[in-house]
Amino acid sequence: SQKIEQNSEALNIQEGKTATLTCNYTNYSPAYLQWYRQDPGRGPVFLLLIRENEKEKRKERLKVTFDTTLKQSLFHITASQPADSATYLCALEDQAGTALIFGKGTTLSVSS
Amino acid sequence: GAVVSQHPSRVICKSGTSVKIECRSLDFQATTMFWYRQFPKQSLMLMATSNEGSKATYEQGVEKDKFLINHASLTLSTLTVTSAHPEDSSFYICSDNTQYFGPGTRLTVL
Repeated sequence: SQKIEQNSEALNIQEGKTATLTCNYTNYSPAYLQWYRQDPGRGPVFLLLIRENEKEKRKERLKVTFDTTLKQSLFHITASQPADSATYLCALEDQAGTALIFGKGTTLSVSS
Repeated sequence: GAVVSQHPSRVICKSGTSVKIECRSLDFQATTMFWYRQFPKQSLMLMATSNEGSKATYEQGVEKDKFLINHASLTLSTLTVTSAHPEDSSFYICSDNTQYFGPGTRLTVL
């Protein structure tokens, strides 16, 4: 079965630096991969979706890459701010192509 | 974009009672909605897929008689936790089959 590994449970960086979060999957390559932000006690908020034929996607200070050879996606936040502090979840579709499978997330803390 | 609401946001109940959680898709007619559960420091785990007008599909290990799902309209799915026990305490989140999730419901069973 598909497994998602977000290999940093926590990441601490200083304001202004670039945060880089990693998501690896183990089995089939999904048609797309998504990144979400989750704040404590709240549901996930969609950030970006990247398709298997897209190598990179950007949205404001966010950038996502997708390498199907490495079975890996990288999520970058440039010029990070304390308000970016949250848990970031990687998700991809299940093999049936219906629901999402989530990683455990990486909790990012940006200090001023 | 689509918006998903959940009610209640937080509920505390006694062991043995039943709790109903509502999930509404406000902008999107959702023939399928998803229910997830999240334990502390864990990932969201899919519990079941709610299908409008038909029976829900449950993931392996999720008791369908304990977690009753009703999807009577294109905008409303409900999850009822029957005879709740402390181990059912968790964060329950629904999704409307797009990229949007509800704000979640924190269930605490005493």
